[in-house]
Amino acid sequence: SAVISQKPSRDICQRGTSLTIQCQVDSQVTMMFWYRQQPGQSLTLIATANQGSEATYESGFVIDKFPISRPNLTFSTLTVSNMSPEDSSIYLCSVVPIDTQYFGPGTRLTVL
Amino acid sequence: DAKTTQPPSMDCAEGRAANLPCNHSTISGNEYVYWYRQIHSQGPQYIIHGLKNNETNEMASLIITEDRKSSTLILPHATLRDTAVYYCIVRVRDRGSTLGRLYFGRGTQLTVWP
Repeated sequence: SAVISQKPSRDICQRGTSLTIQCQVDSQVTMMFWYRQQPGQSLTLIATANQGSEATYESGFVIDKFPISRPNLTFSTLTVSNMSPEDSSIYLCSVVPIDTQYFGPGTRLTVL
Repeated sequence: DAKTTQPPSMDCAEGRAANLPCNHSTISGNEYVYWYRQIHSQGPQYIIHGLKNNETNEMASLIITEDRKSSTLILPHATLRDTAVYYCIVRVRDRGSTLGRLYFGRGTQLTVWP
């Protein structure tokens, strides 16, 4: 298994600002992912965070809006840029140490 | 990945077994059945997975029918803390680029009452 922590656990932000979410894993993992869960909805994959290269984004998500860093095998950040109220969601980091996927506790973001 | 069908909600008395069904009639031979749960506002928690044999761990049991078209997650002695949304997902178990793409449907809201 893997122990995943995220910072911050929650935040309230003003429209037009940006927030960077951190994800820390207790072991080195090759595959790390970022998900979004909008209110009342299921999880949606945003992107795959690749160590040493640019992230791979899913359809509907772009790097300018959600820049991702992956400086090493235990850490990644997701930035939500130029926020609007529609970005209010829970953002989740996820890893696959071997062949089972585990999720972090999530960051609850509210944009006013 | 194959689609799954789950009832939107179920309830269960505390201390009794909770049996959560899932239909996956289009499952392929190399697809595994995974179960996760999500307690309100927290990240999804892995519960168990299996291919064709029944599986048991400290959290739950997974019963997969012989034709693999459906499965049941069993929580043997439900507690109030088991109240959550339970997701049944079928996917290929590999290390390829699709591994992170777990597509969660609506799941089953299980409510355990005192």
